Amino acid sequence: AQTVTQSQPEMSVQEAETVTLSCTYDTSESDYYLFWYKQPPSRQMILVIRQEAYKQQNATENRFSVNFQKAAKSFSLKISDSQLGDAAMYFCPSGNSGGGADGLTFGKGTHLIIQP
Amino acid sequence: NAGVTQTPKFQVLKTGQSMTLQCAQDMNHEYMSWYRQDPGMGLRLIHYSVGAGITDQGEVPNGYNVSRSTTEDFPLRLLSAAPSQTSVYFCASRNRGPGNTIYFGEGSWLTVV
Repeated sequence: AQTVTQSQPEMSVQEAETVTLSCTYDTSESDYYLFWYKQPPSRQMILVIRQEAYKQQNATENRFSVNFQKAAKSFSLKISDSQLGDAAMYFCPSGNSGGGADGLTFGKGTHLIIQP
Repeated sequence: NAGVTQTPKFQVLKTGQSMTLQCAQDMNHEYMSWYRQDPGMGLRLIHYSVGAGITDQGEVPNGYNVSRSTTEDFPLRLLSAAPSQTSVYFCASRNRGPGNTIYFGEGSWLTVV
């Protein structure tokens, strides 16, 4: 079984500044994947970034980067140069390699507010 | 470029009624799933399928039925709606293979009164 904990229910940042969202997880799987999804008020789930657990190098996508600490089971998301369009709920689900149960385990999310 | 399509987007049901949420994907994905999202929560897995003719239960399967007769379609049936099933429902799909991106539909808002 997997569990995901997002300890920050809400975060606020000034436009153009940098913010880091925290995520910790627990899994018994040896091969797994971690994701950050963004959910704006429309409720659409939008993939932000993904990380394979076997890769040591942290994933980056433009202004978004992760700090993956496998031993600590931590997977934080850094958003640089925050923009108004970044305002949303952010989830960091984990998923296994898909051989058996195929689903993501979600935490409760972090609500990100961007102050203009 | 349809991706994952869910219908209906909004539905109001009376307690005890049954209905089917439709989900179709045009990406030839083998894996499909249904999730529900309650207020202030993340998504929870209801049922999933790893191919046509194969389905299995997720974390919260009670009160729901699924079938997978084709690769494209994965309908979710509510057998006898209850107010506790008021939620937003998401269908998702992905390719077979570890860690492939999961694509979500736009969600179906269901209210049971």
